[in-house]
Amino acid sequence: AQTVTQSQPEMSVQEAETVTLSCTYDTSESDYYLFWYKQPPSRQMILVIRQEAYKQQNATENRFSVNFQKAAKSFSLKISDSQLGDAAMYFCAYRRSIQGAQKLVFGQGTRLTINP
Amino acid sequence: GAVVSQHPSRVICKSGTSVKIECRSLDFQATTMFWYRQFPKQSLMLMATSNEGSKATYEQGVEKDKFLINHASLTLSTLTVTSAHPEDSSFYICSAVGLGRASTDTQYFGPGTRLTVL
Repeated sequence: AQTVTQSQPEMSVQEAETVTLSCTYDTSESDYYLFWYKQPPSRQMILVIRQEAYKQQNATENRFSVNFQKAAKSFSLKISDSQLGDAAMYFCAYRRSIQGAQKLVFGQGTRLTINP
Repeated sequence: GAVVSQHPSRVICKSGTSVKIECRSLDFQATTMFWYRQFPKQSLMLMATSNEGSKATYEQGVEKDKFLINHASLTLSTLTVTSAHPEDSSFYICSAVGLGRASTDTQYFGPGTRLTVL
């Protein structure tokens, strides 16, 4: 079974600085999807970024980028120019790429605090 | 982007009563919907997967007779908590994957429903 591990329960960063959230996963499959979701205090889960394992290029969405290391099974999220609105729980998630197998496996989450 | 709504956002009920939570995909057709439960400061726990027109698939340890799931249309799934007890109090979240504008590879989440059982 696949597992996702986020080893940082809490992180904090100064506003405007850069922070990196860690995520590792375990799988025997070669093709899959990886996601980062953000859950602010409203508790609405928001997709931040997604990565397809067969793509070597790291995904980027504005200030958010990932460092996808397939061999190391690592998928870290970098937030540049941190803003107060980035404060939230961040969840890393894995999904198999097999048709119909759409369950997400979530990590434990990392609570990110932005210091003004 | 793809929008998923949930209703109600909050519900308080007495022990022993049943509560229905609705999950709707507003701008796409959801072939599959998921129901999660989240305890405070914890991750999401998948309860069940529902496909339109077929019976839901429940995760191990989830009582199917207690948490009834119906996915009668491509835009609506419901979760009914039957004979609710205080230990059922939690935050319930649905998500949807589907056709149309939404990516078929990505789950889009509803805003959640906070259930309190007195």
